[in-house]
Amino acid sequence: EPEVTQTPSHQVTQMGQEVILRCVPISNHLYFYWYRQILGQKVEFLVSFYNNEISEKSEIFDDQFSVERPDGSNFTLKIRSTKLEDSAMYFCASSTDRGAFFGQGTRLTVV
Amino acid sequence: GENVEQHPSTLSVQEGDSAVIKCTYSDSASNYFPWYKQELGKGPQLIIDIRSNVGEKKDQRIAVTLNKTAKHFSLHITETQPEDSAVYFCAAPGLDAGKSTFGDGTTLTVKP
Repeated sequence: EPEVTQTPSHQVTQMGQEVILRCVPISNHLYFYWYRQILGQKVEFLVSFYNNEISEKSEIFDDQFSVERPDGSNFTLKIRSTKLEDSAMYFCASSTDRGAFFGQGTRLTVV
Repeated sequence: GENVEQHPSTLSVQEGDSAVIKCTYSDSASNYFPWYKQELGKGPQLIIDIRSNVGEKKDQRIAVTLNKTAKHFSLHITETQPEDSAVYFCAAPGLDAGKSTFGDGTTLTVKP
C-alpha cells in the first residue's frame, strides 16, 4: 500500500539553527500539506501546496517557514531560525480528492 | 475560519460496547468530513469520511452520520475491541479535502 514517508524520524537542533524536514508524498497525489502537533495537542494545519505553489497557509506559517518541491518526488519544510516553541511533531500529508494521508511524522526538538 | 468542536475529550468503554464521538463545525460551506485515528507515535490515519450529499456511511464496525442542518457529525464504533484504543480526530476541511481544521481529539480506551 502506498504511503507518505518522512525523514528524519527525530531531529534535535539548537535554537536559531535551520532545519529541513523531508517528505516523499504518495506518487499520484497532487496536493501536499504540512501539519504540526505539539505534544498532547491537536493537529494544526500549516500549509498546503498544489501545482508547485503554496495554495493556503495558516497564521503559524510565518516568514520563518518555507516549503519546496525540489524535484518530482520530494516535498520539504524549512524552518530558518528555530525557536523553542517550534518543538513538535511535524506531519507531511498528501491527498487527491479525499482526506489527507499522513506520514509517520518528524519529531523536532529545539534545545 | 472553520471552528470544530469535538466531544468527549476522553471516552472509556468495555470491549464489545459501542462508542460515539461527536463534532460540530461552523462553516456551512464545508462539504467533506473525514475522521482520523492516531495511535501512539504515529501519524493520523484516515478511517472513514463522508460527503455532505449523504447522511450516513458505514464501513464494517465504523459508521459516520452527518446532520448538515445542525452542522454536526458523529463517529460510531460498534463492538469495540482493545485495538480500537487510540485518539480519534474529526476534521472539517474547506474546499480542499486535504486541508483540515481538526477537532481537539477524543482519547478512546477500550477495556478488555
